[in-house]
Amino acid sequence: GALVYQYPRRTICKSGTSMRMECQAVGFQATSVAWYRQSPQKTFELIALSTVNSAIKYEQNFTQEKFPISHPNLSFSSMTVLNAYLEDRGLYLCGARGQQDTQYFGPGTRLLVL
Amino acid sequence: QQKVQQSPESLIVPEGGMASLNCTSSDRNVDYFWWYRQHSGKSPKMLMSIFSNGEKEEGRFTVHLNKASLHTSLHIRDSQPSDSALYLCAARGGGNYKPTFGKGTSLVVHP
Repeated sequence: GALVYQYPRRTICKSGTSMRMECQAVGFQATSVAWYRQSPQKTFELIALSTVNSAIKYEQNFTQEKFPISHPNLSFSSMTVLNAYLEDRGLYLCGARGQQDTQYFGPGTRLLVL
Repeated sequence: QQKVQQSPESLIVPEGGMASLNCTSSDRNVDYFWWYRQHSGKSPKMLMSIFSNGEKEEGRFTVHLNKASLHTSLHIRDSQPSDSALYLCAARGGGNYKPTFGKGTSLVVHP
């Protein structure tokens, strides 16, 4: 079956440092990957949409300089949170689109910033 | 940009009762809805997805979709205290592969 894995599931970083998270599609080819952040206030915000062979589109309030994304092939995407601060804490979710327009979501990476 | 509205914001039902949650998209081309359940401190887990008009049932959970009204609803029968959680709806506009999440409905099932 089709699954989306995210790694790590939980991570802690010091304020001002960076951390990288990964999203792996298994059992299907992810033609696009959407990255979200769920804040402590519970709202899911779309950070960016990454489509293979196209430019990555960032939503308002999110930039490539802060959240660089790599999507090198149809099964893998990674995103880095650069210079993480308290406001960056939350659950980061990736959603991968497969063939026939199906969409699969990973379990998320929970980021704590000290 | 698509908006996804969920109602009510919070809901309390007695154990064994029926919980009904609503979700509406602002995108007239919406073609896919997902329902997620998120227990406190945990990652959301997908309950059901629906993209065809009509009804879909899995165990105690039933999802309805009416594309004409851009509306989906989730119904939980015989609610259990373990169903207490945040229920999130996500919708995707046709041709726009960016699922958008609503703010969720907080469900409490009291014994």
